[in-house]
Amino acid sequence: DTGVSQDPRHKITKRGQNVTFRCDPISEHNRLYWYRQTLGQGPEFLTYFQNEAQLEKSRLLSDRFSAERPKGSFSTLEIQRTEQGDSAMYLCASSPVSGIANEQFFGPGTRLTVL
Amino acid sequence: ILNVEQSPQSLHVQEGDSTNFTCSFPSSNFYALHWYRWETAKSPEALFVMTLNGDEKKKGRISATLNTKEGYSYLYIKGSQPEDSATYLCAHYGQNFVFGPGTRLSVLP
Repeated sequence: DTGVSQDPRHKITKRGQNVTFRCDPISEHNRLYWYRQTLGQGPEFLTYFQNEAQLEKSRLLSDRFSAERPKGSFSTLEIQRTEQGDSAMYLCASSPVSGIANEQFFGPGTRLTVL
Repeated sequence: ILNVEQSPQSLHVQEGDSTNFTCSFPSSNFYALHWYRWETAKSPEALFVMTLNGDEKKKGRISATLNTKEGYSYLYIKGSQPEDSATYLCAHYGQNFVFGPGTRLSVLP
């Protein structure tokens, strides 16, 4: 399967714990995006990498959130001291620099539940 | 803050019915309008990328139109099938991607 993959698919954690999610983009794609989606809403942009450089971060991304893409391939999103409001679907997407109007290819998401 | 809206929020149709949904967006700073289909437990799947005013695109029974001057796009499904059941998302691409809340379609056999 050469699509975008995310791991884990589901995560249940207790409030205050740290969690880390992984995204493996399509191999030749330079751009990688993280989104958060809550019930009844569309995906909301969190952050964007071009290769290993984090070029943009949303105001939604509080200090408890950090994302890395150390070698310009896979990316991790860490949430520290989770809160119940962090419960959401976290989506990763990738796109090639030469794509059509920045067409993005999505992974299946990681569903986080904070108890 | 850019606001992308979709209507209706959800709808239920019978198999064989044709249906359409609306995506509305600010017409300023427009570069492209993307449509995605998102089935439960799967990845959102790209349907169309539309850039030009008056664009019409078609893929099988699904088609879309774009009006950038008035800021709307329509998605049409002809002869709905149960496998069309999904959430249909539109996204405005200008400076960033901004998604609408989606239209949840259920096609009843």
